[in-house]
Amino acid sequence: NAGVTQTPKFQVLKTGQSMTLQCAQDMNHNSMYWYRQDPGMGLRLIYYSASEGTTDKGEVPNGYNVSRLNKREFSLRLESAAPSQTSVYFCASSVLRGHTSSGNTIYFGEGSWLTVV
Amino acid sequence: TQLLEQSPQFLSIQEGENLTVYCNSSSVFSSLQWYRQEPGEGPVLLVTVVTGGEVKKLKRLTFQFGDARKDSSLHITAAQPGDTGLYLCAGAPARRPNDYKLSFGAGTTVTVRA
Repeated sequence: NAGVTQTPKFQVLKTGQSMTLQCAQDMNHNSMYWYRQDPGMGLRLIYYSASEGTTDKGEVPNGYNVSRLNKREFSLRLESAAPSQTSVYFCASSVLRGHTSSGNTIYFGEGSWLTVV
Repeated sequence: TQLLEQSPQFLSIQEGENLTVYCNSSSVFSSLQWYRQEPGEGPVLLVTVVTGGEVKKLKRLTFQFGDARKDSSLHITAAQPGDTGLYLCAGAPARRPNDYKLSFGAGTTVTVRA
């Protein structure tokens, strides 16, 4: 009963280093998302993938890249980490593209805590 | 500036008391969702409200969508320590009801003391 699985759970990077956050879902969902959560700011959408093979920018895409590897997996890459990217990152998935259709539930992973020093 | 403003930011109450959390906006939403997030975990969807004036109940939790679909409230009756968590509201503006760019409020941290 895994749902949405993210790795790693915790990571400390030095400024300028690169890393990839991995995400996989086992619910056969079409859409996948990456959010970041910062104190007092709620969740902000970084990138989105409506379906396998497509990706779109969200509110805060600068400094990030994504890959929808297949229907199950959606990775987030930081090419040159900056202290401003210190945050908690959440991967999520849903069956439908639209968030607001009644009954369309978004499932979140447990989060990845990233610190850039 | 947050599209969705939540208040209060923090709320600490004694077990058995009631509480209300508010989610307000100047924009009209096609629907609003409420999530609860516990420390170290991701948000979990509690409810989606889609019709202006709609009231939904989930055990001791009552959710209301404003008539003008610009605001929502969450009321918890006889709060229990298990209700402790961060409550987030989220929605998409009515002009783009199926947009994936869901906007989240900053959240209300609720602490229920035993």
